[in-house]
Parts: sequence; C-alpha cells; structure tokens
Amino acid sequence: AQTVTQSQPEMSVQEAETVTLSCTYDTSESDYYLFWYKQPPSRQMILVIRQEAYKQQNATENRFSVNFQKAAKSFSLKISDSQLGDAAMYFCAYHAGGTSYGKLTFGQGTILTVHP
Amino acid sequence: DAGITQSPRYKITETGRQVTLMCHQTWSHSYMFWYRQDLGHGLRLIYYSAAADITDKGEVPDGYVVSRSKTENFPLTLESATRSQTSVYFCASSPGQGVYEQYFGPGTRLTVT
Repeated sequence: AQTVTQSQPEMSVQEAETVTLSCTYDTSESDYYLFWYKQPPSRQMILVIRQEAYKQQNATENRFSVNFQKAAKSFSLKISDSQLGDAAMYFCAYHAGGTSYGKLTFGQGTILTVHP
Repeated sequence: DAGITQSPRYKITETGRQVTLMCHQTWSHSYMFWYRQDLGHGLRLIYYSAAADITDKGEVPDGYVVSRSKTENFPLTLESATRSQTSVYFCASSPGQGVYEQYFGPGTRLTVT
C-alpha cells in the first residue's frame, strides 16, 4: 500500500522569506501523481500544485514550486516570498495513475506559521 | 458558480441517531468522495463513487452508507451515530478522464454527544 510521510509536524517562516516543506512517499508504481493541498483556518482544502511522475520538470505555480526527486521518492514544496496568508496546514497527497482512480493518500500534514 | 457545497456546515447529534450529510457539485464531475479528518490521522477516505449508482468503500467505511442517484449529489449517512464518528467530514469531486486532482467542499463539523 502507498504511504505518504510528512516528517515536519510544524514549520515557521518569517514574512518574505522562503520555506520548504518535506514529503516522502512509498510506492511500487511508476505512473502516479503528487499534490500539495493547503488548509487555512477556514478549513477549506485548496489545491496548491500538482506533479506528474512522468515529468522530469518540477512544477511551479507563482510563489510555489516543488522539488520532485523520483528516485528518492521525495516531493518537497518550496514557498518563496512567504506571506501571512500562506499560514495554513499543508498536506502532501499521492494518487496512483491508471486503474487506481480516485484513491488519494494524504500525509499527516505540516502546520506552517508565518511571522510578520 | 457554486462548485461543491456541503450541508449542514455544523451538526450536533446524539449517539444512536441517524444523520445525513449532504454534498452537491455543479461541475458534473464523474467522481465524488467522502473523507473524514481527525487529529493524528489526516484525511481518510470513507466512500467514493465513480458515477451515478456506482459506489465503493474506502479506508474507513464501517458505520457509513452512501448513495448516488444523481451525478451531482452524494449524501453520506451515519445510520446510528457513535462518538467515534465525531469528526470533520469533507466531500470532494474529480472530473476523471485523466485528471486526478480532487476539489473539496468546505467541510461539515459533526459532533456526536
């Protein structure tokens, strides 16, 4: 079974600085998708970024980028120029490709605090 | 464009009562999901549905029932609520057809006393 591990229960960053959140996963699949979701205090789960395993290029969405290391099964999220609105719980999630459609496996989450 | 909505947003019920949580999406997504979120467990899949009248169990289905008679609705019923079902429940949807990300509703906080 696939597992997703976020080893940092909490992280903090100063406003305008850069922070990296870690995620590792375990899978025997070659085709899969990885996601980062943000959950602010409002509780809403918001998709931040996605990465397809077959793509070597790291995904980027504005201030958010990933460092995808397929051999190491690592998928970290880098937030640049951190803003107060980035404060939230961040979840890493894995989805196998092909016929395993629908089964997102989540990590335990990392609480990010942004200090002004 | 309402997207995906859940009702109620908050619910308090007593042990043994039947409770139904509603989920409605306006995107015509094929797939819909129910998760529960608990401290220390992250999000866990309860049930999911690939289309109307097609449902399947997730990781923690015991004590829950789902139905999907229409594509846009996916209600979750707790047949006889227990205190261990106190949680935040999220509904999500996904279009399928090679798109794997899921889009979440705002959640329902359920307390069973």
